[in-house]
Amino acid sequence: GIQVEQSPPDLILQEGANSTLRCNFSDSVNNLQWFHQNPWGQLINLFYIPSGTKQNGRLSATTVATERYSLLYISSSQTTDSGVYFCADLEGGKLIFGQGTELSVKP
Amino acid sequence: GAVVSQHPSRVICKSGTSVKIECRSLDFQATTMFWYRQFPKQSLMLMATSNEGSKATYEQGVEKDKFLINHASLTLSTLTVTSAHPEDSSFYICSAIYEKLFFGSGTQLSVL
Repeated sequence: GIQVEQSPPDLILQEGANSTLRCNFSDSVNNLQWFHQNPWGQLINLFYIPSGTKQNGRLSATTVATERYSLLYISSSQTTDSGVYFCADLEGGKLIFGQGTELSVKP
Repeated sequence: GAVVSQHPSRVICKSGTSVKIECRSLDFQATTMFWYRQFPKQSLMLMATSNEGSKATYEQGVEKDKFLINHASLTLSTLTVTSAHPEDSSFYICSAIYEKLFFGSGTQLSVL
């Protein structure tokens, strides 16, 4: 099955800073998604982005399917952005998650 | 918007007891729900796919008799951890699809 690798594993930011999270995959992906898990465990679907670029407020994501990677951009980070960001591919009806990037935004 | 409700959010039990976790789709019908397990500082691992009216599909390495899944209606799936042991302590999360994937808020199980 497909392997999903995320980098960096951890990231500490000062409030207001920008960041880029990366997701590499070992094979073609068709249903790449980004999720945010807040410190209390709740998972939120951020983007469904099999290719191209999407933006939602301070967040945007880009997937370059031919090069097997996706990027999540967070601009003007806020403390509420803290948590773990996962990318995942929906393969055969199942979500295959990367290991996540744990983001901590300091005030 | 679509909401997936998971209950309880936290449970502490003695070793050997069974624990039931409920996952409900509140404003949509979900013929398929998914159960995940997450250890601290780790990613989510799919345990099983719950199908309404039929047997669940378990991932390799997941004990069917240990983790009983029942999806008796279009809005409710339950996961029962039978004869729980300390190694079953984990964060369990359910999800369902309604145009996109929605997750329950998770259940932290601690087995003493």
